Parts: sequence; structure tokens; C-alpha cells
Amino acid sequence: DTEVTQTPKHLVMGMTNKKSLKCEQHMGHRAMYWYKQKAKKPPELMFVYSYEKLSINESVPSRFSPECPNSSLLNLHLHALQPEDSALYLCASSQDGTAATNEKLFFGSGTQLSVL
Amino acid sequence: GEDVEQSLFLSVREGDSSVINCTYTDSSSTYLYWYKQEPGAGLQLLTYIFSNMDMKQDQRLTVLLNKKDKHLSLRIADTQTGDSAIYFCAEEDSSYKLIFGSGTRLLVRP
Repeated sequence: DTEVTQTPKHLVMGMTNKKSLKCEQHMGHRAMYWYKQKAKKPPELMFVYSYEKLSINESVPSRFSPECPNSSLLNLHLHALQPEDSALYLCASSQDGTAATNEKLFFGSGTQLSVL
Repeated sequence: GEDVEQSLFLSVREGDSSVINCTYTDSSSTYLYWYKQEPGAGLQLLTYIFSNMDMKQDQRLTVLLNKKDKHLSLRIADTQTGDSAIYFCAEEDSSYKLIFGSGTRLLVRP
């Protein structure tokens, strides 16, 4: 199994809603990532979890709250988002994310989020 | 800071070769990567090259690296309509994070 599974595929939410994005992998990877991708732009790193601990937070606003319940699961909790937060949110995983090896990043298909 | 630049668009005829170019700034990058993104999908790692190599070939894909000029290219031989996608090059920064280029949209005409 070389898949990273993200749910839901599409999400529409209002600015007062609370929602969560979910990501799952069963490759035994110990590093998991959240990226944000605006239309026609490259992905931008948001968070990295390594061995279930948050290792990188790229100064992301607190309305985005990541959670790594175990080594296979990664959530992104959303609250009080703004319309400019509308984007494709990509989850990725890699072996351990701690060394400059030829680590392959495996990406999920993403959740297309629209904030109204 | 690190910067990775790519041309935005490339159009080729089916069966021709495609060459997608990329320039980067971080000379300490150990690996450089090419990713492919199809519409509505995540990124798929196509190939990568170690920084002490000049060339890597993998079936229809050839990666050329000019470390002196910090220039990376991806050549796709016998381009097919299924190769139409956005191609991102990426370098690692000093903390092993990937820095992506802006992406090159490849359109393959029948």
C-alpha cells in the first residue's frame, strides 16, 4: 500500500464553522506533512510531524490546528477560516523526515476547501 | 532566501520531446526533484537527482543538472497526451524542507 488517503475530497464551509481534514497512510512512515496549494501556485508547507511530534510550524495562523493521534493519522482542524483560506490542502508522508536522504514524499490527492 | 524558478507553460506535439527547465539558488541542496501534478490530484514524485550527478535517465525521463549554473532540466522523450500536467521542480533547503518552483504546465497536442 503506497497510498496517502485524504478525506473529504471537497469541503465547503462558512466562516463560523468548525471542520476537520483527515489523512491516513499505512506505509509505516513516521513523518507527515500538511501543505496548502492555491490555484496555479506551488504547494506551501504548513506543518510537519515527525514521530508524532510537531517539528515544523511555518507560522500558520491558529485557526489551523494540526493533530497527529498516531503514526498513521494526521488531522487538520479548521475554525473561523477566512475566504482567502480557500485552497487545495495536501497531506504527504515520508520515511522519517529528519535526514537529507532521497526521501520520497508521497502525496494524497488533497481536499479542495472553499470558505464562504 | 531560496528561490526556484520555472517557465510557466510549454506546448508540444504528441511524439515530440519536451524539455522543462528550472533554476534554483541553494547550492547546498543535496537532492533535486521533479514532481508531476495532474488536475485535481496530489503531487507524484517522478524522479530525483543527487547533486553530485550530471545526468540521470529513467525510461522516457532524462534529468540534466548543471550545478555551476544551478540549472536543472527534465526531458520527456516521445511525449504522450497522458503527460499533460503541471511539473514542479523542487530543491531541499538547509533544513531538508522542499522548496517548489512555480510549476510548468505541459500541454501535449495530438
